[in-house]
Amino acid sequence: DIVLTQSPALAVSLEQRATISCKTSQNVDNYGISYMHWYQQKPGQQPKLLIYEGSNLASGIPARFSGSGSGTDFTLTIDPVEADDIATYYCQQSKDYPDTFGAGTKLELK
Amino acid sequence: QVQLKESGPGLVQPSETLSLTCTVSGFSLTSYSVSWVRQPSGKGPEWMGRMWYDGDTAYNSALKSRLSISRDTSKNQVFLKMNSLQTDDTGTYYCTRDGYYSSYGYWGQGVMVTVSS
Repeated sequence: DIVLTQSPALAVSLEQRATISCKTSQNVDNYGISYMHWYQQKPGQQPKLLIYEGSNLASGIPARFSGSGSGTDFTLTIDPVEADDIATYYCQQSKDYPDTFGAGTKLELK
Repeated sequence: QVQLKESGPGLVQPSETLSLTCTVSGFSLTSYSVSWVRQPSGKGPEWMGRMWYDGDTAYNSALKSRLSISRDTSKNQVFLKMNSLQTDDTGTYYCTRDGYYSSYGYWGQGVMVTVSS
């Protein structure tokens, strides 16, 4: 299985930039597509898709969220961070079965 | 609009079988695939398996021997059955609609399942 590694937590100040990383144990690109997706989850809620295919913004997601990276190294950037963005963020790969998720990065206020 | 809703028992005895139903609306099961994803409390999600739009299925190899996913397109429902439940199967179970390259654009609200005697 492809393992996704995320830092457990990140402390950030409001109106600053947050960069959340996700490293994969194998390349998750294929024919120019990054099979990497990002989700936001708040306590008691289901995950919400933010970014698909590495860098595409999902419908209704504010432009302060962006995704980048390729191969085995990916980043979710939130700029600027707003109070509503305090949540846990998960990366997910769908290049190979089984689809796998990272353990999550909890975004906290500094 | 697209909606998914999970239903099923909240408490299951160890060694027994879990049966969950995902009822969907706003899209056709013959046009979109539906996955089951579970999440233990405080941990990351785990993909369990998929009902493809064409009726084919795919399973997480870690669960394949215990898991079965089926559907009834006339009722807009996808079913999950998993046997031999243990305490580490406790968590929230979600059904999702697959999107671009198997991202999960729509999620149900989830159903909390506790395995305990």
